[in-house]
Amino acid sequence: GENVEQHPSTLSVQEGDSAVIKCTYSDSASNYFPWYKQELGKRPQLIIDIRSNVGEKKDQRIAVTLNKTAKHFSLHITETQPEDSAVYFCAARGGLGSARQLTFGSGTQLTVLP
Amino acid sequence: GAGVSQSPRYKVAKRGQDVALRCDPISGHVSLFWYQQALGQGPEFLTYFQNEAQLDKSGLPSDRFFAERPEGSVSTLKIQRTQQEDSAVYLCASSLEVTLASTSYEQYFGPGTRLTVT
Repeated sequence: GENVEQHPSTLSVQEGDSAVIKCTYSDSASNYFPWYKQELGKRPQLIIDIRSNVGEKKDQRIAVTLNKTAKHFSLHITETQPEDSAVYFCAARGGLGSARQLTFGSGTQLTVLP
Repeated sequence: GAGVSQSPRYKVAKRGQDVALRCDPISGHVSLFWYQQALGQGPEFLTYFQNEAQLDKSGLPSDRFFAERPEGSVSTLKIQRTQQEDSAVYLCASSLEVTLASTSYEQYFGPGTRLTVT
């Protein structure tokens, strides 16, 4: 089955700096890669996603890049703010004919220091 | 519109008791997923429904776990004879995921049910 590795497990940045979280996946048939933000005690919230036919996607201060050859994808947050502090999870979805569930990474605790 | 809702939000069960967890997906969403999230971990897949059909239950950890979605909308996850290792947050997610001209893979999560087995 799919295996998703995520790093770093913790990340502290100063307010205004950029943060980068990286994930690798094992199943070359995976075709959809979402990122979720989860605050303590809250539900995971979808913040950005990318499909396998796209190399990069941006939404205001957040962007995701995908390298299908290397089977890795990254989340970039620019101009970080204290409210960006949360746990971030990457995930991968199997391709056509494969499992439709998401396989999640182990999470990155991002702390933005004011 | 209304998002995914789950009930109860918290459940404390004595070891050996049966529990039932409910999920109300977003109206019209075809796909429904159950995940288990242990403290400090990412969600892990339990089972998947497309309408009323349970197409994948490979993630259910034992035969004590059972899920149903009889009318293709509300789903119930039942755990029989609960054990301490069942303590976790149980998350439900729904997705529109139609497979014709357009597909939507986005999964939207409910707030979860925190199950504590004592």
